Amino acid sequence: NAGVTQTPKFQVLKTGQSMTLQCAQDMNHNSMYWYRQDPGMGLRLIYYSASEGTTDKGEVPNGYNVSRLNKREFSLRLESAAPSQTSVYFCASSEEGHTDTQYFGPGTRLTVL
Amino acid sequence: AQSVTQPDIHITVSEGASLELRCNYSYGATPYLFWYVQSPGQGLQLLLKYFSGDTLVQGIKGFEAEFKRSQSSFNLRKPSVHWSDAAEYFCAVGAWGGGADGLTFGKGTHLIIQP
Repeated sequence: NAGVTQTPKFQVLKTGQSMTLQCAQDMNHNSMYWYRQDPGMGLRLIYYSASEGTTDKGEVPNGYNVSRLNKREFSLRLESAAPSQTSVYFCASSEEGHTDTQYFGPGTRLTVL
Repeated sequence: AQSVTQPDIHITVSEGASLELRCNYSYGATPYLFWYVQSPGQGLQLLLKYFSGDTLVQGIKGFEAEFKRSQSSFNLRKPSVHWSDAAEYFCAVGAWGGGADGLTFGKGTHLIIQP
Protein backbone atom coordinates (compact mmCIF):
# COMPACT_ATOMS: atom_id res chain seq x y z
CA ASN A 1 0.00 0.00 0.00
CA ALA A 2 1.96 2.99 -1.31
CA GLY A 3 -0.68 5.64 -0.50
CA VAL A 4 -0.30 8.66 -2.79
CA THR A 5 2.58 8.67 -5.27
CA GLN A 6 3.77 11.55 -7.44
CA THR A 7 6.15 11.72 -10.37
CA PRO A 8 8.55 13.30 -10.99
CA LYS A 9 10.09 14.38 -7.68
CA PHE A 10 12.04 17.24 -9.27
CA GLN A 11 11.72 19.05 -12.58
CA VAL A 12 13.35 22.06 -14.21
CA LEU A 13 11.58 23.69 -17.15
CA LYS A 14 12.25 26.64 -19.38
CA THR A 15 9.60 29.31 -19.78
CA GLY A 16 7.04 28.20 -22.33
CA GLN A 17 7.67 24.47 -22.01
CA SER A 18 4.88 22.11 -21.07
CA MET A 19 4.78 19.18 -18.70
CA THR A 20 2.41 16.89 -16.85
CA LEU A 21 2.67 15.99 -13.18
CA GLN A 22 1.37 12.55 -12.41
CA CYS A 23 -0.44 11.43 -9.26
CA ALA A 24 -1.85 8.07 -8.28
CA GLN A 25 -3.48 6.69 -5.14
CA ASP A 26 -4.16 3.12 -4.15
CA MET A 27 -6.61 3.76 -1.29
CA ASN A 28 -9.74 3.62 -3.45
CA HIS A 29 -10.48 7.24 -2.59
CA ASN A 30 -13.12 9.14 -4.50
CA SER A 31 -11.68 12.65 -4.19
CA MET A 32 -8.31 13.94 -5.34
CA TYR A 33 -6.61 17.35 -5.16
CA TRP A 34 -3.72 19.37 -6.48
CA TYR A 35 -2.11 22.03 -4.30
CA ARG A 36 0.84 24.30 -4.69
CA GLN A 37 3.01 25.37 -1.79
CA ASP A 38 5.00 28.60 -1.85
CA PRO A 39 7.12 30.05 0.97
CA GLY A 40 4.98 31.96 3.45
CA MET A 41 1.77 31.12 1.56
CA GLY A 42 0.76 27.75 2.96
CA LEU A 43 -0.99 25.40 0.54
CA ARG A 44 -3.36 26.69 -2.09
CA LEU A 45 -5.80 24.52 -3.96
CA ILE A 46 -5.32 24.47 -7.73
CA TYR A 47 -7.93 21.95 -8.85
CA TYR A 48 -9.79 19.09 -7.31
CA SER A 49 -11.84 16.12 -8.41
CA ALA A 50 -14.69 15.18 -6.11
CA SER A 51 -15.20 11.89 -7.92
CA GLU A 52 -14.16 10.09 -11.07
CA GLY A 53 -15.24 12.06 -14.11
CA THR A 54 -15.53 15.44 -12.38
CA THR A 55 -13.07 18.28 -11.88
CA ASP A 56 -13.45 21.76 -10.42
CA LYS A 57 -11.31 24.83 -10.05
CA GLY A 58 -9.76 25.74 -6.74
CA GLU A 59 -8.26 28.98 -5.54
CA VAL A 60 -5.45 29.32 -8.13
CA PRO A 61 -6.37 27.43 -11.35
CA ASN A 62 -4.97 29.83 -13.96
CA GLY A 63 -2.25 28.29 -16.13
CA TYR A 64 -3.15 24.71 -15.21
CA ASN A 65 -5.32 21.92 -16.51
CA VAL A 66 -6.20 18.60 -14.92
CA SER A 67 -7.40 15.18 -15.98
CA ARG A 68 -9.02 12.57 -13.76
CA LEU A 69 -7.92 9.64 -15.85
CA ASN A 70 -9.64 7.04 -13.69
CA LYS A 71 -10.39 6.60 -9.99
CA ARG A 72 -6.69 6.14 -9.17
CA GLU A 73 -5.01 8.83 -11.25
CA PHE A 74 -5.23 12.62 -11.34
CA SER A 75 -2.75 14.54 -13.49
CA LEU A 76 -1.86 18.23 -13.56
CA ARG A 77 -0.69 19.85 -16.78
CA LEU A 78 1.19 23.06 -17.33
CA GLU A 79 0.68 24.00 -20.99
CA SER A 80 3.13 26.91 -21.11
CA ALA A 81 5.19 27.15 -17.96
CA ALA A 82 5.96 30.53 -16.41
CA PRO A 83 8.45 31.46 -13.66
CA SER A 84 5.48 32.24 -11.39
CA GLN A 85 4.68 28.53 -11.46
CA THR A 86 7.93 27.68 -9.69
CA SER A 87 6.63 25.90 -6.61
CA VAL A 88 6.25 22.61 -4.80
CA TYR A 89 3.20 20.71 -5.99
CA PHE A 90 1.33 18.28 -3.79
CA CYS A 91 -1.31 15.80 -4.75
CA ALA A 92 -3.74 14.54 -2.12
CA SER A 93 -6.70 12.22 -1.89
CA SER A 94 -9.59 11.69 0.49
CA GLU A 95 -12.33 9.14 0.79
CA GLU A 96 -15.13 11.61 0.20
CA GLY A 97 -14.77 15.35 -0.14
CA HIS A 98 -13.02 18.20 1.60
CA THR A 99 -14.17 17.35 5.11
CA ASP A 100 -12.48 13.96 5.10
CA THR A 101 -8.85 13.46 6.02
CA GLN A 102 -6.62 14.18 3.07
CA TYR A 103 -3.57 12.00 2.42
CA PHE A 104 -0.68 13.73 0.71
CA GLY A 105 1.97 12.61 -1.71
CA PRO A 106 5.65 13.52 -1.24
CA GLY A 107 5.50 16.47 -3.63
CA THR A 108 7.09 17.60 -6.90
CA ARG A 109 9.56 20.47 -6.78
CA LEU A 110 9.23 22.43 -10.02
CA THR A 111 11.54 25.22 -11.14
CA VAL A 112 10.71 27.30 -14.20
CA LEU A 113 13.62 29.32 -15.56
CA ALA B 1 -15.37 31.98 2.18
CA GLN B 2 -13.51 30.55 5.12
CA SER B 3 -10.06 31.66 6.25
CA VAL B 4 -7.39 30.49 8.67
CA THR B 5 -4.85 32.58 10.56
CA GLN B 6 -1.76 31.21 12.21
CA PRO B 7 -0.33 34.25 13.98
CA ASP B 8 3.12 32.81 14.66
CA ILE B 9 5.40 32.28 11.67
CA HIS B 10 8.19 30.83 13.81
CA ILE B 11 8.22 29.42 17.33
CA THR B 12 11.28 28.24 19.25
CA VAL B 13 10.82 25.87 22.17
CA SER B 14 13.32 24.02 24.33
CA GLU B 15 13.22 20.25 24.23
CA GLY B 16 11.00 18.98 27.02
CA ALA B 17 9.04 22.22 27.30
CA SER B 18 5.34 22.56 26.55
CA LEU B 19 4.05 23.82 23.23
CA GLU B 20 1.01 25.71 22.02
CA LEU B 21 0.49 26.67 18.38
CA ARG B 22 -2.30 29.11 17.68
CA CYS B 23 -4.94 28.86 14.99
CA ASN B 24 -7.92 31.14 14.40
CA TYR B 25 -10.49 30.50 11.73
CA SER B 26 -13.34 32.33 10.09
CA TYR B 27 -16.30 30.33 8.86
CA GLY B 28 -20.04 30.86 8.99
CA ALA B 29 -21.11 27.43 10.16
CA THR B 30 -19.59 24.69 12.28
CA PRO B 31 -16.17 24.09 10.80
CA TYR B 32 -14.26 20.93 10.14
CA LEU B 33 -10.80 21.64 11.57
CA PHE B 34 -7.50 19.91 10.98
CA TRP B 35 -3.88 20.11 12.04
CA TYR B 36 -1.26 18.76 9.65
CA VAL B 37 2.50 18.46 10.12
CA GLN B 38 5.14 18.66 7.40
CA SER B 39 8.67 17.46 8.02
CA PRO B 40 11.39 18.92 5.79
CA GLY B 41 11.13 17.67 2.22
CA GLN B 42 8.03 15.63 2.98
CA GLY B 43 4.32 15.76 2.30
CA LEU B 44 1.76 16.62 4.95
CA GLN B 45 0.58 14.20 7.61
CA LEU B 46 -2.62 14.54 9.62
CA LEU B 47 -2.09 15.09 13.35
CA LEU B 48 -5.73 15.38 14.39
CA LYS B 49 -9.13 16.65 13.32
CA TYR B 50 -12.33 18.02 14.80
CA PHE B 51 -15.75 17.48 13.30
CA SER B 52 -18.16 17.57 16.23
CA GLY B 53 -18.60 16.37 19.80
CA ASP B 54 -15.90 16.64 22.44
CA THR B 55 -14.04 19.90 21.92
CA LEU B 56 -10.73 18.45 23.13
CA VAL B 57 -9.30 16.24 20.42
CA GLN B 58 -6.42 13.81 20.80
CA GLY B 59 -4.07 13.14 17.93
CA ILE B 60 -0.96 11.24 17.06
CA LYS B 61 2.51 11.83 18.53
CA GLY B 62 1.07 13.12 21.82
CA PHE B 63 -0.62 16.19 20.33
CA GLU B 64 -4.03 17.53 21.29
CA ALA B 65 -6.13 20.49 20.21
CA GLU B 66 -9.08 22.30 21.71
CA PHE B 67 -11.92 23.78 19.70
CA LYS B 68 -13.25 27.00 21.23
CA ARG B 69 -16.22 28.27 19.29
CA SER B 70 -16.44 31.54 21.25
CA GLN B 71 -12.87 32.41 20.29
CA SER B 72 -12.94 30.85 16.80
CA SER B 73 -9.77 29.03 17.76
CA PHE B 74 -8.32 25.55 17.40
CA ASN B 75 -4.96 25.67 19.17
CA LEU B 76 -2.56 22.74 19.08
CA ARG B 77 -0.77 21.66 22.26
CA LYS B 78 1.82 19.20 23.42
CA PRO B 79 2.96 18.90 27.05
CA SER B 80 6.59 18.03 26.29
CA VAL B 81 8.21 18.44 22.89
CA HIS B 82 10.88 16.21 21.40
CA TRP B 83 13.57 17.20 18.92
CA SER B 84 11.72 15.14 16.29
CA ASP B 85 8.76 17.55 16.55
CA ALA B 86 10.71 20.20 14.64
CA ALA B 87 8.63 20.74 11.51
CA GLU B 88 6.09 23.01 9.82
CA TYR B 89 2.58 22.87 11.24
CA PHE B 90 -0.53 23.79 9.29
CA CYS B 91 -4.02 24.43 10.55
CA ALA B 92 -6.81 23.94 8.01
CA VAL B 93 -10.56 24.38 7.84
CA GLY B 94 -12.85 22.36 5.61
CA ALA B 95 -16.36 23.10 4.44
CA TRP B 96 -19.12 21.26 2.68
CA GLY B 97 -20.00 22.38 -0.80
CA GLY B 98 -16.69 22.08 -2.54
CA GLY B 99 -15.42 24.70 -4.93
CA ALA B 100 -12.63 27.04 -4.01
CA ASP B 101 -13.95 27.06 -0.46
CA GLY B 102 -13.02 23.43 0.03
CA LEU B 103 -10.05 23.02 2.38
CA THR B 104 -8.28 26.23 3.35
CA PHE B 105 -4.86 26.11 4.97
CA GLY B 106 -3.15 28.63 7.18
CA LYS B 107 0.30 29.82 6.18
CA GLY B 108 1.99 27.58 8.69
CA THR B 109 4.08 27.82 11.85
CA HIS B 110 7.69 26.72 11.73
CA LEU B 111 8.62 24.98 14.99
CA ILE B 112 12.25 25.02 16.08
CA ILE B 113 13.40 22.84 18.97
CA GLN B 114 16.36 23.98 21.04
CA PRO B 115 18.44 21.30 22.78
